[in-house]
Amino acid sequence: GNSVTQMEGPVTLSEEAFLTINCTYTATGYPSLFWYVQYPGEGLQLLLKATKADDKGSNKGFEATYRKETTSFHLEKGSVQVSDSAVYFCALRNSGGSNYKLTFGKGTLLTVNP
Amino acid sequence: NAGVTQTPKFRVLKTGQSMTLLCAQDMNHEYMYWYRQDPGMGLRLIHYSVGEGTTAKGEVPDGYNVSRLKKQNFLLGLESAAPSQTSVYFCASSYQGERGTQYFGPGTRLLVL
Repeated sequence: GNSVTQMEGPVTLSEEAFLTINCTYTATGYPSLFWYVQYPGEGLQLLLKATKADDKGSNKGFEATYRKETTSFHLEKGSVQVSDSAVYFCALRNSGGSNYKLTFGKGTLLTVNP
Repeated sequence: NAGVTQTPKFRVLKTGQSMTLLCAQDMNHEYMYWYRQDPGMGLRLIHYSVGEGTTAKGEVPDGYNVSRLKKQNFLLGLESAAPSQTSVYFCASSYQGERGTQYFGPGTRLLVL
């Protein structure tokens, strides 16, 4: 079956530090990969996605590259801000099928201090 | 355009009580989903629907029922609440197919005593 493994948090950084949150996956076929962000007290929002190998998703200064050879989709940002403090979820969705369900990792809490 | 809305935002139940959580979306999405979020567990799919009048089981369906009588609404029911159902519940919706990014509601926090 499908599974997503994220680095466990919490992750605490100072403002302007470099961020990496690791994500690896197990899936059959060629899944699409996603990063969702959950700000305190809110629902999940799509941050970025990649639908095929070597694609790079990017948004709000965050990037992630779909690496099929290492089955990874690590999230990076060069300079974090206090406003980036949130929980980040890596997720996958198998191609084909009829329901397009997402399989989520357990989430990584990021705290950015001024 | 409100997106995905959920009611109520918070509820306390006693063991054995029943309740219904309502999800509504105004984006004309075909697909709708119910997830639960528990600490250290990520989000797990409870039930989903690929269209009006259809529902299917997800990863953790036991103790829950759902209905999709109208395209814009997806109801999650707990017939006899248990403390293990204390969680935060999220509804999501999406278009059919590969362009189907899931949009999430703000969540319902449920406490079962």
